[in-house]
Amino acid sequence: GAVVSQHPSWVICKSGTSVKIECRSLDFQATTMFWYRQFPKQSLMLMATSNEGSKATYEQGVEKDKFLINHASLTLSTLTVTSAHPEDSSFYICSATQAAYNEQFFGPGTRLTVL
Amino acid sequence: AQSVTQPDIHITVSEGASLELRCNYSYGATPYLFWYVQSPGQGLQLLLKYFSGDTLVQGIKGFEAEFKRSQSSFNLRKPSVHWSDAAEYFCAVGPYSSNTGKLIFGQGTTLQVKP
Repeated sequence: GAVVSQHPSWVICKSGTSVKIECRSLDFQATTMFWYRQFPKQSLMLMATSNEGSKATYEQGVEKDKFLINHASLTLSTLTVTSAHPEDSSFYICSATQAAYNEQFFGPGTRLTVL
Repeated sequence: AQSVTQPDIHITVSEGASLELRCNYSYGATPYLFWYVQSPGQGLQLLLKYFSGDTLVQGIKGFEAEFKRSQSSFNLRKPSVHWSDAAEYFCAVGPYSSNTGKLIFGQGTTLQVKP
């Protein structure tokens, strides 16, 4: 089956620094990648949809200048949390797909803790 | 409005007992329905999906779900629960082509299994 990886699996950073999270499709070309945020004991909240070579489409209420998304290749999308603050601490999950698929394939998630 | 409701936030069952997790949806187009399972600190694993055809869908790990259009429901069942089934379960609805629209998740149901 289609495999999606995320790196790092967890990261701790100081307030005010930026953190980059990578999402890779390992065995297929992902024309579309999604980024989700999940707070403890809550559901997944879609942050943005990114199509390869295009600007990401952000959901309402998500700050595009704070959560920078780049999808420069068919196998890699990155989420950069800029000037992170403790309230950005969360579990970030990506998913990837392409037109030939009828489901999204999810990465294992990245736990971000901002001190 | 498009939405997914999982009425039960938390369910406890005894090992070996049967299980049913409820899911109701509201979706403007033909619904394509999914059940995912998430273990603590992990990404999402697809249990099963329904697109068309037989309304009783078989999935992995002995799970099945039944699509009932008249009730706008897609309940997940398992005849005999194992302790390893303890996890968070999410129902989701989305478009047929996974890259053309977003998945809408329910709030999740936490399953606890008593020995």
